[in-house]
Amino acid sequence: EAGVTQSPTHLIKTRGQQATLRCSPISGHTSVYWYQQALGLGLQFLLWYDEGEERNRGNFPPRFSGRQFPNYSSELNVNALELEDSALYLCASRPDRPKETQYFGPGTRLLVL
Amino acid sequence: AQTVTQSQPEMSVQEAETVTLSCTYDTSESDYYLFWYKQPPSRQMILVIRQEAYKQQNATENRFSVNFQKAAKSFSLKISDSQLGDAAMYFCAYKEGGGGADGLTFGKGTHLIIQP
Repeated sequence: EAGVTQSPTHLIKTRGQQATLRCSPISGHTSVYWYQQALGLGLQFLLWYDEGEERNRGNFPPRFSGRQFPNYSSELNVNALELEDSALYLCASRPDRPKETQYFGPGTRLLVL
Repeated sequence: AQTVTQSQPEMSVQEAETVTLSCTYDTSESDYYLFWYKQPPSRQMILVIRQEAYKQQNATENRFSVNFQKAAKSFSLKISDSQLGDAAMYFCAYKEGGGGADGLTFGKGTHLIIQP
C-alpha cells in the first residue's frame, strides 16, 4: 500500500511570491492534516481538511490556505511569502478508524529567499 | 491548551544497549492518545508506537515500549537493543480523543545518537 506522497520535494521562492504544495493521502483516508516544521519552532499544526472541507486551522495567518479535492488529495497555498515561511511542510492523513493516528508524508522543503 | 515537554534535547547510547526517552504532557482531558514518532535524516516522520489513555497496559512494538504513567502525565519511550538505524529525532505527540478537531501537539524532540 502506498504511503502519503508530497510534491515537490524542494521548492525555492522569493519573498512576495506564492507557493503551492501538494499532498496525496493513503488510499481510503479522507482526512488530511498540514504541519509546519520550522527551525527553532518545532512542529506546528497548520490546517485540517476532511471530506473536502477545511475543518480547523492552527495559529497561522490567512495567507496560509488550501483545499481538498474530491479524490481527497490536498493543496497548501502560501501567499505573499515571507522569509520566516522557510520550513519543512509535512502532510499527514488518517483513516476513519482509528481517527487519532496520523501517517506522514516525506515533506516539502520550502526555501524563501 | 495541551502541552508536551521533552526535557532531553539529545541522548547518546551505545549500540545494543537500552535507552529511555522522556516525555511529559499537560491536559485536562480524559480521552486522549499519545504517540512517539521518529524522524531520521531523510525527514520522513515514522510512527513508532501509540498509547490510548484509557488503556492501563503499556504499548509495545518489538524493541520499542512505553512507560505510561497517567497520574503523573508521563509517557517515556524505551528502546531495547539499540541499533544504528534507530538514530533519529524522536518526537512525543498528543492527540485529543473523539476524533477531535485539533492536530497533533508535538514536543520539541530528542536527538538520539547511537554510538557504534
